[in-house]
Amino acid sequence: NAGVTQTPKFQVLKTGQSMTLQCAQDMNHNSMYWYRQDPGMGLRLIYYSASEGTTDKGEVPNGYNVSRLNKREFSLRLESAAPSQTSVYFCASGRKTYEQYFGPGTRLTVT
Amino acid sequence: KQEVTQIPAALSVPEGENLVLNCSFTDSAIYNLQWFRQDPGKGLTSLLLIQSSQREQTSGRLNASLDKSSGRSTLYIAASQPGDSATYLCAVKPSGSARQLTFGSGTQLTVLP
Repeated sequence: NAGVTQTPKFQVLKTGQSMTLQCAQDMNHNSMYWYRQDPGMGLRLIYYSASEGTTDKGEVPNGYNVSRLNKREFSLRLESAAPSQTSVYFCASGRKTYEQYFGPGTRLTVT
Repeated sequence: KQEVTQIPAALSVPEGENLVLNCSFTDSAIYNLQWFRQDPGKGLTSLLLIQSSQREQTSGRLNASLDKSSGRSTLYIAASQPGDSATYLCAVKPSGSARQLTFGSGTQLTVLP
């Protein structure tokens, strides 16, 4: 039982490049989330998926797209990376009334 | 819009002390409140979850309380140890259909040997 896994762990991009962050969970949770964490600002929600086939914007969705590929997998795509997207990205999963479980994070630097 | 505040941003205590971390939130219409621990360069580990109908939850040396009407939660750590050094984050889940959490910016705790 691996919980929530994320790939890659580290990534350096140049401005304008694209990439996809992958997330998978093996806890049979309906809901999955993408957050970003910046110094002094806590975690902010980018997108979430309440169930397979649905996605909704969070607090800071601009510059990102998501895909809920199936119940296990939820990916985050940066189409044209910008330095402002340098951050640590966390994926999480959970059930509505219960805890959220977080992955180890992806540290992204955009130069 | 819900806002979650954690004060102080950093705290340093000698080993063995009991300590309290504070979390306040502006909208009392919450479903639950969760405390997390984050070690440097790592992800978040859930410590305690308090449902809105509960007043407190305990796990080992940790005790979390919730006063929904005043918009406050505290995390009490008894007999602190150097291994407790980490950043502690609180997060609230709103009532209703929304599922996303709103996080505070955390308190960085250092326990000195």
